[in-house]
Amino acid sequence: EIVLTQSPGTLSLSPGERATLSCRASQSVSSGYLAWYQQKPGQAPRLLIYGVSIRATGIPDRFSGSGSGTDFTLTISRLEPEDFAVYYCQKYGSSPPNTFGPGTKLEIK
Amino acid sequence: QVHLVESGGGMVQPGRSLRLSCTASGGDFSRHGMHWVRQAPGKGLEWVAIIWNDGTTKYYADSVQGRFSISRDNSKNTLFLQMNSLRAEDTAVYFCARHYFDGWYDSWGQGTLVTVSS
Repeated sequence: EIVLTQSPGTLSLSPGERATLSCRASQSVSSGYLAWYQQKPGQAPRLLIYGVSIRATGIPDRFSGSGSGTDFTLTISRLEPEDFAVYYCQKYGSSPPNTFGPGTKLEIK
Repeated sequence: QVHLVESGGGMVQPGRSLRLSCTASGGDFSRHGMHWVRQAPGKGLEWVAIIWNDGTTKYYADSVQGRFSISRDNSKNTLFLQMNSLRAEDTAVYFCARHYFDGWYDSWGQGTLVTVSS
């Protein structure tokens, strides 16, 4: 079973700054089946990125994903006030479990 | 995307059962696998179960294996989660989510809260 770790646990930045969030897998994620979700308090998660780097419909281009194998990154180029939330990476595919990372909380500095 | 609405949550005593439902509208429900994902208060997301589009294959997280059962009624665009032998650690918001293509979740319900307490 693949275990995902995310770092940092909490990231404190100001609007306009660049955010870099990391997701590391305990073994290689096959076929690039890695997604990122954003969750705000009291809301369901929202898909941001799938296939490591493909933005979901309606996601602004300030969000980008990269990486391969076991190391993946979500980058937000210029933070907007609405971007402060918790971000989860997820390994998916047809062979469960579809593991989530523990999350990174992006908070306003 | 599809609109998903969960229902059936509530407070239940340890050892008792509860059945959650997730009703879909606006999409081809029968063409997609469906998942349950839960989130304990103040915690992260935990995958619970998946059922394939035709209901023939199901997988469960180790934490619920043997106690929870996922099913679906494609004629009613509805997904179910039967939860038996509930424990305090099952307390969480339960989300249903649609499996899209290779398995990312493109649509989520708003969640339903299950509280297991005496």
